[in-house]
Amino acid sequence: QVQLQESGPGLVKPSETLSLTCTVSGDSISSGSYYWGWIRQPPGKGLEWIGSIYYRGSSYYNPSLKSRVTISVDTSKNHFSLKLSSVTAADTAVYYCARLLVGAARFDPWGQGTLVTVSS
Amino acid sequence: QSVLTQPPSASGTPGQRVTISCFGSSSSIGSNDVYWYQQLPGTAPKLLIYRNNQRPSGVPDRFSGSKSGTSASLAISGLRSEDEADYYCAAWDDSLSGPVFGGGTKLTVL
Repeated sequence: QVQLQESGPGLVKPSETLSLTCTVSGDSISSGSYYWGWIRQPPGKGLEWIGSIYYRGSSYYNPSLKSRVTISVDTSKNHFSLKLSSVTAADTAVYYCARLLVGAARFDPWGQGTLVTVSS
Repeated sequence: QSVLTQPPSASGTPGQRVTISCFGSSSSIGSNDVYWYQQLPGTAPKLLIYRNNQRPSGVPDRFSGSKSGTSASLAISGLRSEDEADYYCAAWDDSLSGPVFGGGTKLTVL
């Protein structure tokens, strides 16, 4: 059974960089069958795809966030990471990681999510 | 503003059949498969329907999906109290080269 678990600081100051890691168990990121991605959900609002990465390092991002986002992968640790720079209060959200199929909006499974608050 | 358009709310009584619509464009739903997610209160979204009308194992057959042109629908028959949740549609968008979501529909079981 594939499981994903997000980890990282729950509080980030404005203008700083948000950093999260998603650890995968029950599947190998290097299996090559899937991409791995990040999605966020501001409190009381809908879902927004942030970006995705393949184990070989090729990545693609939501155009609205592309200038501030970097997603990387560490196959030796079977995890992938998100960095979002120059954060503001608008970046406060629950951040989810998920496995997905390239070229499709199939996110399955999801991590439980982690709330990141941007505040001084 | 979401790329895919859903009604913000829907409701029904136990046993009823309800449908939730999802409108997109030629570059999203018109060209790609639609996926539906169920998000129970306080939990992560869960894949409910894939490839327009397929159910993952464990999803009751009370849930069904359909797609026509640039729109899609999720139908829930025999409504139950535990179906009260937020429902999101999603599809790949060729113009954005990425997946897009609807704004979500909050289903209330009266």
